Amino acid sequence: QKEVEQDPGPLSVPEGAIVSLNCTYSNSAFQYFMWYRQYSRKGPELLMYTYSSGNKEDGRFTAQVDKSSKYISLFIRDSQPSDSATYLCAMRGTAGGTSYGKLTFGQGTILTVHP
Amino acid sequence: NAGVMQNPRHLVRRRGQEARLRCSPMKGHSHVYWYRQLPEEGLKFMVYLQKENIIDESGMPKERFSAEFPKEGPSILRIQQVVRGDSAAYFCASSPGVRGTEAFFGQGTRLTVV
Repeated sequence: QKEVEQDPGPLSVPEGAIVSLNCTYSNSAFQYFMWYRQYSRKGPELLMYTYSSGNKEDGRFTAQVDKSSKYISLFIRDSQPSDSATYLCAMRGTAGGTSYGKLTFGQGTILTVHP
Repeated sequence: NAGVMQNPRHLVRRRGQEARLRCSPMKGHSHVYWYRQLPEEGLKFMVYLQKENIIDESGMPKERFSAEFPKEGPSILRIQQVVRGDSAAYFCASSPGVRGTEAFFGQGTRLTVV
């Protein structure tokens, strides 16, 4: 069983739709949760990160973490064609020891927003 | 401020040759991480380095792969005697300190073994 599970999609939505992307995980030690966006043939770009449980909002993006369920989500409101990319969830444990440099990624969800 | 610079962007090697991938971190960043992305898979952690030190190499294959981050110059990921299964995108990320959440990724090196 993978430590982080993410539905690879692909997910296709019309412009203006609300997009929900999700990951589940099994390692209770994960404390920091991130979402990266990766355009084709490019490097991952950090979109949002959240420490422990709770919500965080940045413009059209909202990240949610539910540690009790080991479930994280990214919501995109008013989706645009420029949001078409692969979205990767990532997580890690707390700082200390040798774990802080190591991110565990989900497989990535391919999102297409069509006009 | 230039981002994380990786070169070459594309690298073709024949089976049995050596591949050397270079990564220059962002200015002021002293922590470097290497990840590998196989087709249809997410990024897999390989190794975490600070200047002249390997901090965590738990994701590195036991043979043929090595990494360094010297006091001067870029970090190098070296793959000896490449095989077709090494074909992948290799990404480098850097951060200013211990907080990996602030890691910024380069554009990657796409290695093709023929």
